Formats: sequence, structure tokens, C-alpha cells
Amino acid sequence: DVVMTQSPLSLPVTLGQPASISCRSSQSLVHSDGNTYLNWFQQRPGQSPRRLIYRASNRDSGVPDRFSGSGSGTDFTLKISRVEAEDVGVYYCMQATHWPRTFGQGTKVEIK
Amino acid sequence: EIQLVESGGGLVKPGGSLRLSCAASGFTFSSYSMNWVRQAPGKGLEWVSSISSSSSTIYYADSVKGRFTISRDNAKNSLYLQMNSLRAEDTAVYYCAAGGNPGYWGQGTLVTVSS
Repeated sequence: DVVMTQSPLSLPVTLGQPASISCRSSQSLVHSDGNTYLNWFQQRPGQSPRRLIYRASNRDSGVPDRFSGSGSGTDFTLKISRVEAEDVGVYYCMQATHWPRTFGQGTKVEIK
Repeated sequence: EIQLVESGGGLVKPGGSLRLSCAASGFTFSSYSMNWVRQAPGKGLEWVSSISSSSSTIYYADSVKGRFTISRDNAKNSLYLQMNSLRAEDTAVYYCAAGGNPGYWGQGTLVTVSS
């Protein structure tokens, strides 16, 4: 199975400051079709997960442009350019290149 | 508006069975692969099972293989998860999610396995 490793697991941030979450996979996430199926999800307290980024760097409709995804191969990053109060929650990466699908452990973002 | 509404959760004894349902609306259900993802209390997300749009391809996590069965009825825009031989470690909120890179999620249904 592909192991997804996120860091840090806890991220206290100051409002208005940037934040960055790393996600590393134990195998390359480049699919045989040439695409890289790495997704980022946000789960606010008490809510269902919401996809923010798909195929490593594509922002979903309605997602603020302060969220961006980057990376390739086995090394990926989710960045928040300026953290707002509504960004508090847990962020997960998930690979959809290999079976079984696997998630990272989650990174809890909180306001300092 | 895209909606996924799960139902069928509840309290069940170890060894018991439960059938979860997910009713989809607001998108062309028959064109999407579908997934079940669960989240144990206070824990992270765990992929459980996926089914292709035509039901021709199905995958399961090793933790549920042989006990859970995923199915769908495209005429009824519905996804199902038959869960047998339930264990305490199956206790979780179960989400249905649409798409190979799940872009739509339901609100979840809680399954509690306890004597």
C-alpha cells in the first residue's frame, strides 16, 4: 500500500500569516495515464470533508485563491497564503493513483 | 444542488449486520464512480470501498474484504454498503463520496458496534 506521510501534524498559525503542509508518498503518484492523482481535503470541525485541490495543483470551484497545491512524484505541498479564521480544521492529502486509496494522517490547523 | 444523503447507521452488536444507503441527486449519478470512506471517532479518514460507474470494477480495503459488499442502483441513484460480521473497530462515521478523486461528500451516518 502507498503510505502518505503528512507534516506537521499540528500547525498553529497567526491570522494573516502563511501556512504550509507537506505530504509525501512512499511511491510515485504518477499514473500510467500521465496524471498525478493527489487530492487535498479540508475538514472543518463537525463537518464532512471538502475537496480543495485535485490532481496536485487544481483548485476546486469556490475554493479561495489563498489555497494552492504544488508538487510532483512523491512530494506535495498545500499552501495557505494568508490564514483566516475559517481555515481552522484538519487537512488531509489522499492519493487516487494506486489501489487501495490512502489518506495522510491529517494536519490540524489552529489559530495561535 | 448536488446532494449525497447517507442513511442506515445505528447501534449494532458485534457480529451483526447493517446496510447503509446513499441517495444521490443533482448530478449524473450513473457517470460517477462512488466510494465509501469512514472516520472512527477522533481519528482520520479511511477509504473503505469503491465501485465504478457500471459496477464492473469494485475494490475493498483489506480491513473489510469478505465482510462488506458495495453495490449501486443507477436507476435509483443510490449507493449501498452491506456490512456483515461487524466488529468494534468498524465503529465510525461512514461517508459516501462521488468521483475517483472524491469531489462530493455526504454528511455521513454513524455506525456504532457495541454490545
